[in-house]
Amino acid sequence: AQSVTQPDIHITVSEGASLELRCNYSYGATPYLFWYVQSPGQGLQLLLKYFSGDTLVQGIKGFEAEFKRSQSSFNLRKPSVHWSDAAEYFCAVGPPSSNTGNQFYFGTGTSLTVIP
Amino acid sequence: DGGITQSPKYLFRKEGQNVTLSCEQNLNHDAMYWYRQDPGQGLRLIYYSQIVNDFQKGDIAEGYSVSREKKESFPLTVTSAQKNPTAFYLCASTGQGQDVYTFGSGTRLTVV
Repeated sequence: AQSVTQPDIHITVSEGASLELRCNYSYGATPYLFWYVQSPGQGLQLLLKYFSGDTLVQGIKGFEAEFKRSQSSFNLRKPSVHWSDAAEYFCAVGPPSSNTGNQFYFGTGTSLTVIP
Repeated sequence: DGGITQSPKYLFRKEGQNVTLSCEQNLNHDAMYWYRQDPGQGLRLIYYSQIVNDFQKGDIAEGYSVSREKKESFPLTVTSAQKNPTAFYLCASTGQGQDVYTFGSGTRLTVV
């Protein structure tokens, strides 16, 4: 069965510190992988995506993520966190676009708090 | 600018009443989706539609209904059969290739 696990429910980091949010997935084929960010009371905004090719992908707001097939992981990183990065982060997986019935699966989210 | 519009942003419903949440997109996307979001549970798929006049149940369709009469619109009705409807509801769409979701800003439904 397809699933996404974000093992960290909540993370607190100091402003300027580095950040890594973990994501592990279970999928029957090579999936498309995504990270989304959600501010309180808002919809989800795409940070970055991985379809194929270079396993290190760059996204908006200085975020990057690395796909590790052997570990079924797609961890999100940022070298230096800003106070405005405080939000909820969701990892998601979906089938390649050639597949029909393309349901996407989301993790339960990681809430990020940034302290001065 | 193209995007997805969900209305209203806040909605209050009395127990036993049906209520309809609106979702409109001007992205010319074929597929549309409804998700429910509860604290600590992430996003759960309620219904999705790949084309006009066709839709499929998601993981938690009980107590909900949808229609897809127009490509741009995918309204969700929360019926009185939904026992715990208080939640944040998100609408999304995907275009050709259907490989990236675009989300609306959500509707927070509260049963009073």
